Order: sequence, then C-alpha cells, then structure tokens
Amino acid sequence: GQQLNQSPQSMFIQEGEDVSMNCTSSSIFNTWLWYKQDPGEGPVLLIALYKAGELTSNGRLTAQFGITRKDSFLNISASIPSDVGIYFCAGRGSGTYKYIFGTGTRLKVLA
Amino acid sequence: ETGVTQSPTHLIKTRGQQVTLRCSSQSGHNTVSWYQQALGQGPQFIFQYYREEENGRGNFPPRFSGLQFPNYSSELNVNALELDDSALYLCASSLMGLAGGSTDTQYFGPGTRLTVL
Repeated sequence: GQQLNQSPQSMFIQEGEDVSMNCTSSSIFNTWLWYKQDPGEGPVLLIALYKAGELTSNGRLTAQFGITRKDSFLNISASIPSDVGIYFCAGRGSGTYKYIFGTGTRLKVLA
Repeated sequence: ETGVTQSPTHLIKTRGQQVTLRCSSQSGHNTVSWYQQALGQGPQFIFQYYREEENGRGNFPPRFSGLQFPNYSSELNVNALELDDSALYLCASSLMGLAGGSTDTQYFGPGTRLTVL
C-alpha cells in the first residue's frame, strides 16, 4: 500500500539531545498528523497541523507543516528515555477522508 | 487514554475462517476508520464509516467489510482469512461535521492483534 517517506528510518541518540525527523509526500496535503506508537499499542496523537507554514508545539515537541504542503517536520528537544518508540506521520489531501501514513521513524534514547 | 476501545485484544484464527473485530468510538465522535498495520509498517487505511455508511475505502478486497451502529460503534469483518491478514487492526474515531467537514484529528484505540495460522 501507499506510504509516505519518513527520514531517518531509525536513530539512536543520547538522553538530552535534540531530535529531528521529517516526512515527505509526492502529493499535496491539507492536514498533517504526528503520532507516537509504543510496541503492541495504538498510535497516540502528538500534534495536528492544518495550514501550510504552521508551527505547533506540544511540550518538548514541535512540528511544522511545510510550505510546499508536501512535507512536515517533527522536532523533539532534550530527549528523555520515555521518548523511545516509533513516530509516524500521516497526511490527508483534499477531497478524501483517507489518511496515508509514513513508514515510521524508530527512536532509541541512550541514557 | 483516547476513550477508543477495541475487542478482543488478541485473536488466533486459521486460514479460511471468518473474524469480527469491534470498536467503540470516543464519546462525541461520529466517524470510525479502520486500519491494518503489518509488522514493521505504518497503518494502512481499510475504510471509514460515517452515519452507518461506508465513507471511503482503501485498497482492500471485498472480503473486508464493516458496519457502524447508531451509537457510532463499529465492526470490521474479514472473511476467508489468509495468512497475510495477520496484523494489528486499529480503529480510529473522529468527528465529522454536519457540513461534511471534519476536525481531521483521528484518535486510535489500542488495536486487536490478529494471527492467522
């Protein structure tokens, strides 16, 4: 099935470091959502973006809706061990109710 | 806690059997979307239900079908199970406005892990 490209695929970082990841699409989207998923559980919504250029924060997390509307970025500042998990982006275009998910970025934090 | 619940948590079936998975949406939400998540992959959209009707469908065969009830809860039915149907099945609830607009924000349940032997 169709999936968005997420980068990096996985990353190991030291506790306290900042993390950046991105998601790209070949199509224009009207909405971007960012989720975190722990093993065996459902994705948990982190941030929702609705407008090109929008920058939204949720605690140590900041996400941006790319100006081209074909990409989005998620930053985590001062990472902690509980940030470990898989981060997914999801995008939705106009005229559809279908969300397309990314391939995921697996984050591992070294204490 | 999103308030979205799914049952059962785990299920083991054999090829050719049929399965029904259930989802209760978050209070105040009227739309349920179903996703299949294979191991190591992102969720794949199966279909969405709004006002008890299918509102959109992904690339899944007709043996994947669903229902939505007046209380907005939903079922996913899969007939003639195949080995490749083994996956985590997720439902997500959201609120669709009367004008057809949406908050666009989907909240997921914990999922049902289906294993087909």
